[in-house]
Amino acid sequence: KQEVTQIPAALSVPEGENLVLNCSFTDSAIYNLQWFRQDPGKGLTSLLLIQSSQREQTSGRLNASLDKSSGRSTLYIAASQPGDSATYLCAAFNTGGFKTIFGAGTRLFVKA
Amino acid sequence: NAGVMQNPRHLVRRRGQEARLRCSPMKGHSHVYWYRQLPEEGLKFMVYLQKENIIDESGMPKERFSAEFPKEGPSILRIQQVVRGDSAAYFCASSPLRGIDEQYFGPGTRLTVT
Repeated sequence: KQEVTQIPAALSVPEGENLVLNCSFTDSAIYNLQWFRQDPGKGLTSLLLIQSSQREQTSGRLNASLDKSSGRSTLYIAASQPGDSATYLCAAFNTGGFKTIFGAGTRLFVKA
Repeated sequence: NAGVMQNPRHLVRRRGQEARLRCSPMKGHSHVYWYRQLPEEGLKFMVYLQKENIIDESGMPKERFSAEFPKEGPSILRIQQVVRGDSAAYFCASSPLRGIDEQYFGPGTRLTVT
């Protein structure tokens, strides 16, 4: 049974800092892993999708990596800005099934 | 191309009433997923549907909850005889292929049971 864990649960950093959000999963048989952003009271915005055959994906100041063998993914945010303040969720989609399993999220606050 | 649409955005029901939540996937997407997010908790998978078929409903409560995705029209998540514990945000997502491709999420329906 897939379990997805995100560490830390909350993070507060000053503006301009580079930061790393961690996501671990117990079952390496995944099709893909997706990172989302959720603003308070809002829906989810997809940030990056990494297929199981890929090692990383980049979009602007965001870089996500995937290491299936260790069951880990990281989301790297460069030069953080107050507008990056949100909850970041990772989600794993398993082979042989239809569920997407979400982590509980990391709540990020970037101080101006 | 309009994104995933959900309505209503906010729904208030009294205990014992029925709630109907609608989800229109993105154009060209034939796969729909429903998720529930309880207050201060993560998203939990409820059900996966293709047109006219329920593929995986292992995350749905056994009673009072049902889902459909008819040949024409939106996907519907139906909750009968709502209770306070059903208060949550319900999100749907669509994809062109079963999760192998990116899932695109709607804005959610926030259900409040009074």
